[in-house]
Amino acid sequence: AQSVTQLDSQVPVFEEAPVELRCNYSSSVSVYLFWYVQYPNQGLQLLLKYLSGSTLVESINGFEAEFNKSQTSFHLRKPSVHISDTAEYFCAVTTGSGYSTLTFGKGTMLLVSP
Amino acid sequence: GAGVSQSPRYKVAKRGQDVALRCDPISGHVSLFWYQQALGQGPEFLTYFQNEAQLDKSGLPSDRFFAERPEGSVSTLKIQRTQQEDSAVYLCASSLPSSGGGGNTIYFGEGSWLTVV
Repeated sequence: AQSVTQLDSQVPVFEEAPVELRCNYSSSVSVYLFWYVQYPNQGLQLLLKYLSGSTLVESINGFEAEFNKSQTSFHLRKPSVHISDTAEYFCAVTTGSGYSTLTFGKGTMLLVSP
Repeated sequence: GAGVSQSPRYKVAKRGQDVALRCDPISGHVSLFWYQQALGQGPEFLTYFQNEAQLDKSGLPSDRFFAERPEGSVSTLKIQRTQQEDSAVYLCASSLPSSGGGGNTIYFGEGSWLTVV
């Protein structure tokens, strides 16, 4: 079985500042890793994913995450946040076998203020 | 449709009442999932369908929870005799199958917000 730990339940940051949302996972087999974003009163949207290949993956809106196998981490970063990035961010993991049931962390609320 | 559609978006049920939550997956998606998201928590897996077959129901919390997908498209999650602890957002998701297992993207609906009073 796999598990995901998001170390921070809430991260307050000022607009245009950099941010890092932490995610660690545990699994006895190879994993695929995802970040989902949930805006208020909306469903989950896929932000980015790591399947294989380059360990650094990027989203279209400036977020990036790096898969670190030795540290079992998949931290999410953005060099300069906007007010509109305020949302809940969920890290998730699934294994490469069978159907892809996601295991989620508890989420990190990113609060961007002016 | 363009995305996963769920109804109702909001439901208030009296304790002991039965509720039914509907999910319309993306057209052509074979896999369908239900997740439960309690307040302040991440989504937790409830059940999985491949076409009309319910291949995994290990996450259903009790026998009061029942899901079906009779024609391999629309799915319904039914909760009988609702309790206050059932209050949560119920998320439906769908995906295409992939020979690579976990590599396929899962698309989520906006959820059905259930409040049991």
